[in-house]
Amino acid sequence: ETGVTQTPRHLVMGMTNKKSLKCEQHLGHNAMYWYKQSAKKPLELMFVYSLEERVENNSVPSRFSPECPNSSHLFLHLHTLQPEDSALYLCASSLQGQGSYGYTFGSGTRLTVV
Amino acid sequence: KNEVEQSPQNLTAQEGEFITINCSYSVGISALHWLQQHPGGGIVSLFMLSSGKKKHGRLIATINIQEKHSSLHITASHPRDSAVYICAGHTGNQFYFGTGTSLTVIP
Repeated sequence: ETGVTQTPRHLVMGMTNKKSLKCEQHLGHNAMYWYKQSAKKPLELMFVYSLEERVENNSVPSRFSPECPNSSHLFLHLHTLQPEDSALYLCASSLQGQGSYGYTFGSGTRLTVV
Repeated sequence: KNEVEQSPQNLTAQEGEFITINCSYSVGISALHWLQQHPGGGIVSLFMLSSGKKKHGRLIATINIQEKHSSLHITASHPRDSAVYICAGHTGNQFYFGTGTSLTVIP
C-alpha cells in the first residue's frame, strides 16, 4: 500500500450506468489528481484539486465529474461513458506549497465500458 | 511529438546486468520524476530531481538541465525490477509524461 487507496480495483459498467471511483489518502497531502492511462499512451492528467479547489481541468468530457469533499477524499463520478473511456484511472496526491512535490500514486481502477 | 521521449521503449536484460533508461524533454520543467509501474497498475515514485544525481539502493537517477536529459540506472538488475519505468517532467501542476520503458529482467 502506498498510502493512496483507490476503490474499486476493477469496474465493468455499461454505457448507461452511473458509477463513482473513490480515492482516499491520509498522508497529510493537500493536492489530489486524477489521471487516465490508456494502452500505449502517456498518462493524461484529467483534474487537479489543490486545497479542495479544482485548479485544473484538462478538457475532460462532462461525462467525467470530479468531486473533492475534503483534502483526504477524491471522487470521479462517471455517467454515460463510451467504450473508448475504458482505461486505468489513477489517483495521486502530493504536498504543495511546502517546497516538496513528492508524488504518491494509488494502484488504480481498471475500468471497462461495455 | 511528445514533450518527453524515452528510450528504449522495450528492454530485456539478464539478471545482474547494468541497465540504463534514457529520457529527453523539450519543455521547461522545474523537476523530473522517475516512476515505476508494476503489471497490476500501481505506480511508485522512485525519484524526483531538479539537478545532479540521486541514489537509492541499486537505483541511480541523473539529470542534465542544460541538455534536457535524464537517465535512470539500475545496477545488478533483478527479476523483481521488471516493470514499466516512466519519466515525467513537471512545472506547477502541469505534467508531461513519457510513454514508458518496459523492462523485463530474465533470471
